[in-house]
Amino acid sequence: GAVVSQHPSRVICKSGTSVKIECRSLDFQATTMFWYRQFPKKSLMLMATSNEGSKATYEQGVEKDKFLINHASLTLSTLTVTSAHPEDSSFYICSGRDTDYGYTFGSGTRLTVV
Amino acid sequence: QKEVEQDPGPLSVPEGAIVSLNCTYSNSAFQYFMWYRQYSRKGPELLMYTYSSGNKEDGRFTAQVDKSSKYISLFIRDSQPSDSATYLCATNQGGKLIFGQGTELSVKP
Repeated sequence: GAVVSQHPSRVICKSGTSVKIECRSLDFQATTMFWYRQFPKKSLMLMATSNEGSKATYEQGVEKDKFLINHASLTLSTLTVTSAHPEDSSFYICSGRDTDYGYTFGSGTRLTVV
Repeated sequence: QKEVEQDPGPLSVPEGAIVSLNCTYSNSAFQYFMWYRQYSRKGPELLMYTYSSGNKEDGRFTAQVDKSSKYISLFIRDSQPSDSATYLCATNQGGKLIFGQGTELSVKP
């Protein structure tokens, strides 16, 4: 089946630094990738939708300058959390769409900002 | 009103029990319905999907959609401790997934 590889799985960074999270679709071409944020015991909150070769579309309330998304190829999308603060600590998950109903998720990245 | 509503639980059952997980949705235009399972600190994995009304069975899992009442269900037979996870219902609107809140299930040995 379709696989999305997400790295790193865990990262701790200092306040003010930037962190990059990568998602790769290993056996399908993901023209569209979705980025989610999940708080403990909460559902997934869609942050943005990225399409290969074009600018990402951000959901209302998500700061596009803080959460930079790049989808430079059909198999790679990245999320960079810039100037991270403790309130950015969360679980970030990407998802690639491979069919009408097939949304394959990465394993998630736990970001802790200290 | 949220587009997809799901009781967050938590739900605790003994091993071997039949589990019923449910969601309601508001928009009758929704057609695809999915159930995802998410283990702690992992990404969701697709369990089942259904299109329109009816039942779909896969091993111990049965997904059911009742479009007349805008109700979707997931049944787990002979539940196992390894089924302990959060279960999320979802539907597809405009290419984006809309999730319920997720139900945390614990199956006790």
